[in-house]
Amino acid sequence: QVQLQESGPGLVKPSETLSLTCTVSGGSIGDYFWSWIRQSPGKGLEWLGYIYYGGHTNYNPSLNSRVTISVETSKNQFSLKLRSVTAADTAVYYCTRGTIGAATNWGQGTLVTVSS
Amino acid sequence: DIQVTQSPSSLSASIGDRVTITCQASQDIDTYLNWYQQKPGKAPNLLISGASNLETGVPSRFSGSGYGRDFIFTISSLHPEDLGTYYCQHHGALPLTFGGGTRVEIK
Repeated sequence: QVQLQESGPGLVKPSETLSLTCTVSGGSIGDYFWSWIRQSPGKGLEWLGYIYYGGHTNYNPSLNSRVTISVETSKNQFSLKLRSVTAADTAVYYCTRGTIGAATNWGQGTLVTVSS
Repeated sequence: DIQVTQSPSSLSASIGDRVTITCQASQDIDTYLNWYQQKPGKAPNLLISGASNLETGVPSRFSGSGYGRDFIFTISSLHPEDLGTYYCQHHGALPLTFGGGTRVEIK
């Protein structure tokens, strides 16, 4: 059974870069879509983007090109970077595995607060 | 972006009741619609994909239907463990978007 675990700082200062890593166990990063999804009280669930098939990516345009998702196959990890954060980026961030349209496996989520 | 609008935003029902949640897409999405359950303090869990396909291990009291713009999610007989929030999510085009959620409470 595949498991996903998010890790990274729980507090980020405004204008800085939010960086999170998702470690995958019980399966390899192969032919799946690996996504980041966040959840905040104000905006609900929001898909940020995914990486798939050898490093191809798609991102949510609402993030105005602030987001980058990358994969490190040798470590069975994929990562999220979100630049120039504001308080509106405060949320629980989930990493997921799935198909092109659905998130079938989720990490437990990690709360990231943007505050000085 | 394609928006998906869920209703109601919350409901309260008794054990054994039939529960129905609707989701309407802002444009035709064929059957590219999924349903998730989120229990308090937990990550969402995929219940139904492709509008009506039950994921492995999901109880048969859960079902989904619909095509195009209008979709329905049903719990045929509410169990105590069904407490939580339910979300629809489309994948008719990028970006993927979620409905606002329906909180299900037990009377």
